[in-house]
Amino acid sequence: DTGVSQNPRHKITKRGQNVTFRCDPISEHNRLYWYRQTLGQGPEFLTYFQNEAQLEKSRLLSDRFSAERPKGSFSTLEIQRTEQGDSAMYLCASSYSEDSRTEAFFGQGTRLTVV
Amino acid sequence: DAKTTQPPSMDCAEGRAANLPCNHSTISGNEYVYWYRQIHSQGPQYIIHGLKNNETNEMASLIITEDRKSSTLILPHATLRDTAVYYCIVGDTGFQKLVFGTGTRLLVSP
Repeated sequence: DTGVSQNPRHKITKRGQNVTFRCDPISEHNRLYWYRQTLGQGPEFLTYFQNEAQLEKSRLLSDRFSAERPKGSFSTLEIQRTEQGDSAMYLCASSYSEDSRTEAFFGQGTRLTVV
Repeated sequence: DAKTTQPPSMDCAEGRAANLPCNHSTISGNEYVYWYRQIHSQGPQYIIHGLKNNETNEMASLIITEDRKSSTLILPHATLRDTAVYYCIVGDTGFQKLVFGTGTRLLVSP
C-alpha cells in the first residue's frame, strides 16, 4: 500500500458541468476525510466518514456537493453544476481511529479548474 | 476557526536548526498538538504530534511548554527540501477533524 490515492490529479471542466473525484484510502484506515484548499489558504474541512457512515459535514458543503463511501473503502466526492468558485484543490485523507496512532495521511489532491 | 497562531514566514540557513513557534493559548486538556507540512503542490504531510511531553521522531522534535499554551517544532538540520508551509494544529485525538490555519512558510536557503 503506497498511501492515499486520488484520481484524477487534475480536472478542467466547464461551468455548469458535474464532476466526480475518487479517493482510495490506506487499506486498514476506517476514517476518511475530504478537504478543500484554495490558493494561499490552509485546507478547509468538508466532511468525514467513519467506515461507510458520513458523520459530519461542514457548512462549506453546499447542496451541490455530495460525498459517499458505500462499502467503507474508497470514497467519491461529486460536485453538481460547478461554479468558478469551486476551483480549488480537493484533498482526501485517511486515518485509523482504534489506537493512539490517529494521525491523518493525505493524498496528493485533485486540482479542479472551472472555466 | 484555527485555534493556533503562527508567524507567516521564517527563513533558515541550510544545515542549521529551524525552530518554528506556535501559540495555542486556548488548548484544552484532551487536545493534542499536531504538526503537518505542505510542500508546493503536494498534500499535507504528517510530521509529529504530542499531548504534554516533548516528542522526537526521525523528522523533528516537538517541545511543548509546561502550561501547554505554546510549542516549538524543531528541524535539527534543515535542508532545502524542508522548504514548505508548516501547520500547527490542535485537536482531540478521538476525532481528528483537523482545522488548519495559514501556517508558517519556511524558506531554507543555501
